[in-house]
Amino acid sequence: AQKVTQAQTEISVVEKEDVTLDCVYETRDTTYYLFWYKQPPSGELVFLIRRNSFDEQNEISGRYSWNFQKSTSSFNFTITASQVVDSAVYFCALLSHQAGTALIFGKGTTLSVSS
Amino acid sequence: ETGVTQTPRHLVMGMTNKKSLKCEQHLGHNAMYWYKQSAKKPLELMFVYSLEERVENNSVPSRFSPECPNSSHLFLHLHTLQPEDSALYLCASSRGGRVGDEQYFGPGTRLTVT
Repeated sequence: AQKVTQAQTEISVVEKEDVTLDCVYETRDTTYYLFWYKQPPSGELVFLIRRNSFDEQNEISGRYSWNFQKSTSSFNFTITASQVVDSAVYFCALLSHQAGTALIFGKGTTLSVSS
Repeated sequence: ETGVTQTPRHLVMGMTNKKSLKCEQHLGHNAMYWYKQSAKKPLELMFVYSLEERVENNSVPSRFSPECPNSSHLFLHLHTLQPEDSALYLCASSRGGRVGDEQYFGPGTRLTVT
């Protein structure tokens, strides 16, 4: 079975705080891909990152960083020094050969950053 | 225009109406997708087209009918919808439709069925 769990439904922080969004996935495939997307109020899903199952190297892009740990089936996303513009719904997604071309999305985490 | 565009952005229709959603991608991609996003539910894949051929149809009711006339355009024809079909319909595209290609999404059409 393919499944993505984002246990945090809503998170509220104050600007400049660091925040981590959790993502836990399930798959029996050995080759799979993990994604994070951001959905601002405008509705468009914005692609943030893709990782494949063979590359556990953590990645940093500006204020964003991702921690991929196969041992715990987690792919967590940290925003450092959060800003009001980071307010959005963030989705973690899984894509594997078993699921074909279907991205399996978590239910999303709504992040609210106040000034 | 760049990226993936969708029209209309908002649509209100009665249960007996027929309407169509349009998606256009300007990325030179070969695969296009329709997703449905309902309140309180994860995004659900509806249809996948790769090189203008439908490759997946995830048990979607026949009142939704996709059409992909070329690799840049994707339509979703709607008829005899139900109120529970009210949702945000998102179109996406990817380079080759292969597993692993990142998908780029349009802004969505907010559909309300009355």
